[in-house]
Amino acid sequence: EIVLTQSPGTLSLSPGERATLSCRASESVSSRHLAWYQQKPGQAPSLLIYGASSRATGIPDRFSGSGSGTDFTLTISRLEPEDFAVYYCQHYGTSPPITFGQGTRLEIK
Amino acid sequence: QVHLVESGGGVVQPGRSLRVSCAASGFTFSTYAMHWVRQAPGKGLEWVALTSYDGSNSHYADSVKGRFTISRDNSKNTLYLQMNSLTAEDTAVYYCARRVSFGNYYDYWGQGTLVTVSS
Repeated sequence: EIVLTQSPGTLSLSPGERATLSCRASESVSSRHLAWYQQKPGQAPSLLIYGASSRATGIPDRFSGSGSGTDFTLTISRLEPEDFAVYYCQHYGTSPPITFGQGTRLEIK
Repeated sequence: QVHLVESGGGVVQPGRSLRVSCAASGFTFSTYAMHWVRQAPGKGLEWVALTSYDGSNSHYADSVKGRFTISRDNSKNTLYLQMNSLTAEDTAVYYCARRVSFGNYYDYWGQGTLVTVSS
């Protein structure tokens, strides 16, 4: 089972700042199998990034994903008020289980 | 457009059973693999189970294996999760999610249904 560790647990930033969220896998994974989701309070998660670096439909270009092997990053170039939420990385490989990181809470400073 | 609507959640006593459902619309349900993902109050996401597009292949998280059964009725465009021998640790919002046709991620999620296991 691939264990995903996200850091930091909580990130406090101001609108307009740059956010960098990390997701580290317990062993090397294919970039094709790494996705990021955003979850706002009281809502279901929604897809942000798939294949480590491809933006989902309708996702603004201030969101970008990068990385390979065991280290992956979600970057939000300039935070908007609606970006403050919890972010999860996910590994969905060729066989179960599917695993999620524990989440990074992005809060307004 | 795509809609996934869960139902069937509620309060259930420890050791009892409950079945939750996910009604799908806006797409050809019978051609997509479907998953259940849960989230305990204030916690992160936990994958629970998956079923192939035709229901012939299913997999479960170790935490629910032997107690939960995922199934689907493609004639009714509905996904199910039968949950037996429930414990307090199963208390969570249960989401259904659609796996994309070609890729390993979820493109649509339902709004979730809350299952509370309590005496």
